[in-house]
Amino acid sequence: QSALTQPASVSGAPGQSITISCTGTSSDVGAYNYVSWYQQHPGKAPKLILYGVSNRPSGISYRFSGSKSGNTASLTISGLQTEDEADYYCNSFARSNILVFGGGTKLTVL
Amino acid sequence: EVKLVESGGALVQPGGSLRLSCVASGFTLKNYNMNWVRQAPGKGLEWVSYFGHTGTVMYYADSVRGRFTISRDSAENSLFLQMNSLRAEDTAVYYCARDGGKSYENDYWGQGTLVTVSS
Repeated sequence: QSALTQPASVSGAPGQSITISCTGTSSDVGAYNYVSWYQQHPGKAPKLILYGVSNRPSGISYRFSGSKSGNTASLTISGLQTEDEADYYCNSFARSNILVFGGGTKLTVL
Repeated sequence: EVKLVESGGALVQPGGSLRLSCVASGFTLKNYNMNWVRQAPGKGLEWVSYFGHTGTVMYYADSVRGRFTISRDSAENSLFLQMNSLRAEDTAVYYCARDGGKSYENDYWGQGTLVTVSS
């Protein structure tokens, strides 16, 4: 079961926008619109920020948005804030493996 | 308020067994699919197991299949993970998470329980 591929780290200044990619295969990301994204601060449980590629749960800021093209999904955070500094994980339903996570991306707000 | 509380994590020797529990409140467990997800120290998230709301469908990651068993007690509104033949690589914080039912997303997570496999 191969993990989805994410960049290990990204950074941006407050107010800027960043995008985190999540690359899978035609058996997971490319096959279904079942990509979700999670934010995890140190020592805390993950928190759902996007589901179904681009849907935001109640209470999640409009600054978080998602998209998908082919086998790659993307999370964009606009108007970066210091509290956005965290680890981000993508997740997809997978044909044979049920769920597969990305390796995680550490976001640093400079 | 939806809440998930895991327990049962401990230090256990390689080859040993452990049973994790996840008590749900604020919703009826049997109406939702549930997952166990783990995170090794300093590492990323790894899906471990899935329990379908009907109680008849269970799935496991290749890394734990044949060693771990997921189950549910509807009367106790609780989810369990029986872990046998534990290995050092099973060392992790184990989270239970609720499937929100829209697109296989996990909308609520517990705080996690730490399992350490070491001699």
